[in-house]
Amino acid sequence: QVQLVQSGAEVRKPGASVKVSCKTSGYTFTNYFLHWVRQAPGQGLEWVGVVNPSLGTTTNAQNLQGRVTLTRDTSTSTVYMELSSLRSEDTAIYYCARVIRYNGHFDYWGQGTLVTVSP
Amino acid sequence: EIVLTQSPGTLSLSPGERATLSCRASQSVNNNYLAWYQQKLGQTPRLLIYDASSRATGIPDRFSGSVSGTDFSLTISRLEPEDFAVYYCQQYSSSPWTFGQGTKVEV
Repeated sequence: QVQLVQSGAEVRKPGASVKVSCKTSGYTFTNYFLHWVRQAPGQGLEWVGVVNPSLGTTTNAQNLQGRVTLTRDTSTSTVYMELSSLRSEDTAIYYCARVIRYNGHFDYWGQGTLVTVSP
Repeated sequence: EIVLTQSPGTLSLSPGERATLSCRASQSVNNNYLAWYQQKLGQTPRLLIYDASSRATGIPDRFSGSVSGTDFSLTISRLEPEDFAVYYCQQYSSSPWTFGQGTKVEV
């Protein structure tokens, strides 16, 4: 069965960086794009970026440009999201989600990783 | 960027009633590439509808989606107790992928 399992909760100070992982299983890793979506406490969903696991190419949200880096490891079927220069407003649950094609709906989601940015 | 505006913000209904949620796009959504997700408190979003009107696997047929131009709707024909949640629309026709702000369906 398809599974997306994310790494555990993180706490960072402002200005630091965080790297969240999303380990996939149950399907061919390189056949599906993987997105990252975040949700601040009590707020809606915000798209962060997408990675093509086959080519390693990425597209990120404009407002996070320069601070977010998406990577993948095909040997472990894992994608990573690294966010740098953290601010309090980056406090959120970060989800990875799979799509069957570039212009695709999110059919499977990871369980989410809470990133807390606090002095 | 395609802006999605959901209305109403909150819908107060009772079990057994019909719910109609709206999602208006600021511009054309190519191929009607729009999805609806349900999110319960403390849970991961769950795909309900994709491509505006196709039900995802395992979704009951009381959930349906429709489109007219840039106006998308999600209808729940008869609310069950487990349907009280927040619903988001999302377009995936062009980058950046965007979500509506959500509609809360409450008792």
